[in-house]
Amino acid sequence: DAKTTQPPSMDCAEGRAANLPCNHSTISGNEYVYWYRQIHSQGPQYIIHGLKNNETNEMASLIITEDRKSSTLILPHATLRDTAVYYCIVSATDKLIFGTGTRLQVFP
Amino acid sequence: KAGVTQTPRYLIKTRGQQVTLSCSPISGHRSVSWYQQTPGQGLQFLFEYFSETQRNKGNFPGRFSGRQFSNSRSEMNVSTLELGDSALYLCASSLLTGSYEQYFGPGTRLTVT
Repeated sequence: DAKTTQPPSMDCAEGRAANLPCNHSTISGNEYVYWYRQIHSQGPQYIIHGLKNNETNEMASLIITEDRKSSTLILPHATLRDTAVYYCIVSATDKLIFGTGTRLQVFP
Repeated sequence: KAGVTQTPRYLIKTRGQQVTLSCSPISGHRSVSWYQQTPGQGLQFLFEYFSETQRNKGNFPGRFSGRQFSNSRSEMNVSTLELGDSALYLCASSLLTGSYEQYFGPGTRLTVT
């Protein structure tokens, strides 16, 4: 079973920051937080991952709370092409367990 | 660099038949994982292969099997197809086993009638 809790859906205006929350209160010390997204009819796309420090790449930023029980994925300037289902995954083993994710709708 | 490719993209089969799906990973990637995606169950892990060895397996019946070749290409086979096997089958590759920076292919849409 997925070990994360995400809101089922969120809306965001184009050009604004999209902040997607994820709760993972049972995360273990050796488990990473991963984010993937799936645009309709495509395979999932890796976004970012982190252990305990905040991370940033060209796509997004990942903010992990100090107790590691929750995290936030930030898309700094959302575009219509960011409309997708976003999955937050915690894992230290060899497989990804996908939950139901958050459906992000970016509107003009 | 070319992405993960999967063939065929679409397939229609009849109950009781078997099917083989193919996946070519990104050049240099040695790990290939397979997933099944259905509206009811979401994305579920099937198995992972690394260096021609199955490294991890999900909770699927033995009708689902796979293999990996020396060039890292992978195939998955489903025997005695059931209606419930209708799904999008996704393949993902990564550089090493245990790496979750996985790159997914577009999937094969299997319909069982």
